[in-house]
Amino acid sequence: NAGVTQTPKFQVLKTGQSMTLQCAQDMNHEYMSWYRQDPGMGLRLIHYSVGAGITDQGEVPNGYNVSRSTTEDFPLRLLSAAPSQTSVYFCASSLIPGGTYEQYFGPGTRLTVT
Amino acid sequence: AQSVSQHNHHVILSEAASLELGCNYSYGGTVNLFWYVQYPGQHLQLLLKYFSGDPLVKGIKGFEAEFIKSKFSFNLRKPSVQWSDTAEYFCAVRTFSGGYNKLIFGAGTRLAVHP
Repeated sequence: NAGVTQTPKFQVLKTGQSMTLQCAQDMNHEYMSWYRQDPGMGLRLIHYSVGAGITDQGEVPNGYNVSRSTTEDFPLRLLSAAPSQTSVYFCASSLIPGGTYEQYFGPGTRLTVT
Repeated sequence: AQSVSQHNHHVILSEAASLELGCNYSYGGTVNLFWYVQYPGQHLQLLLKYFSGDPLVKGIKGFEAEFIKSKFSFNLRKPSVQWSDTAEYFCAVRTFSGGYNKLIFGAGTRLAVHP
């Protein structure tokens, strides 16, 4: 099992550019989510999905889009990058959204927007 | 609004010292509680979790945490830290409101252990 994988590890964007952060898991987990980690603020939920074809917004969804066409993949799209989106992005997955689940985190993508 | 507070943002200890990291949450309903650890350059890993039963839970690497419901607290402890415990520690609370079980993270505590 590779677990949760994320690409790229590092990315630098100019303001206004768009890009997609990739996330994949091979554990057949239904639930996937994206967080951003900023110093002194912990992790904040951007978007989540409870299964293929179903997504919803978290705490800080503005400026980001997601889709879930397969169980394995959950890409995060930045539509028009802004310096405020400079952050470390983590993807996570778990077996089911409720119950006694554990979330597994990917290694993160460090994004800098200049 | 639901929130998780970690009282110490930075903690510096010498090896063999005892550790206690505070975590309080604001939510009156049923919660599940977690401590995650993030070693330098790595992703988050689950240290321990509490769902129900004995409020004193033991995790990996000698860590333990105690859930005190009356104080809305879930403090992390380790009797004797090692240099390899240098990491950032996150408390997280899962609440059950509405159709979605949300995992809320604290801001993190950065621990530095000096040999």
